[in-house]
Amino acid sequence: SAVISQKPSRDICQRGTSLTIQCQVDSQVTMMFWYRQQPGQSLTLIATANQGSEATYESGFVIDKFPISRPNLTFSTLTVSNMSPEDSSIYLCSVSTGGPDTQYFGPGTRLTVL
Amino acid sequence: KQEVTQIPAALSVPEGENLVLNCSFTDSAIYNLQWFRQDPGKGLTSLLLIQSSQREQTSGRLNASLDKSSGRSTLYIAASQPGDSATYLCAVIDNYGQNFVFGPGTRLSVLP
Repeated sequence: SAVISQKPSRDICQRGTSLTIQCQVDSQVTMMFWYRQQPGQSLTLIATANQGSEATYESGFVIDKFPISRPNLTFSTLTVSNMSPEDSSIYLCSVSTGGPDTQYFGPGTRLTVL
Repeated sequence: KQEVTQIPAALSVPEGENLVLNCSFTDSAIYNLQWFRQDPGKGLTSLLLIQSSQREQTSGRLNASLDKSSGRSTLYIAASQPGDSATYLCAVIDNYGQNFVFGPGTRLSVLP
């Protein structure tokens, strides 16, 4: 199993600013994922972040808007850049460890952009 | 504390069968419930989202129901295909819309 923490748990930000969300895992993992859930919508994958390589972004998400760092096997950050109210969402990180179909989730970061 | 369970843990069926996956949760105070599909080495794919005020949602061959009072949801897959082979996860989101609690998943294999 894996225990995941995220910081901050919630934040209220002004339009045009950027926020970096941290994801910390208590064990070394190869694959980490970043998701967002906008109000009333399903969870959507933003990108896959593997240590030692560039993050892979899903359609509709770009590195300039959501830069990701993955400096080691236990940590990753997601930055939401130049925020607008449409970025108000819950941002969730998850990791895949053990078997290929085992995934664990962080508690989420609730972002409100004014 | 919310707990989510899924039955069965694994399921293997021949192609063409209709099947039902079950999800149970202990706290009925939920914001919504979602069903996801996970393929090996990939992120989650959202299948269906059911708001707490809804009783079911349908998408193609998939139908999900929600009974909040009994703490249950089912995912019905009609005319299963080998491409449906994956792990299916359900997740509930608490009434604050903040905390996700995922079930352990059901690993489905559809045999040609």
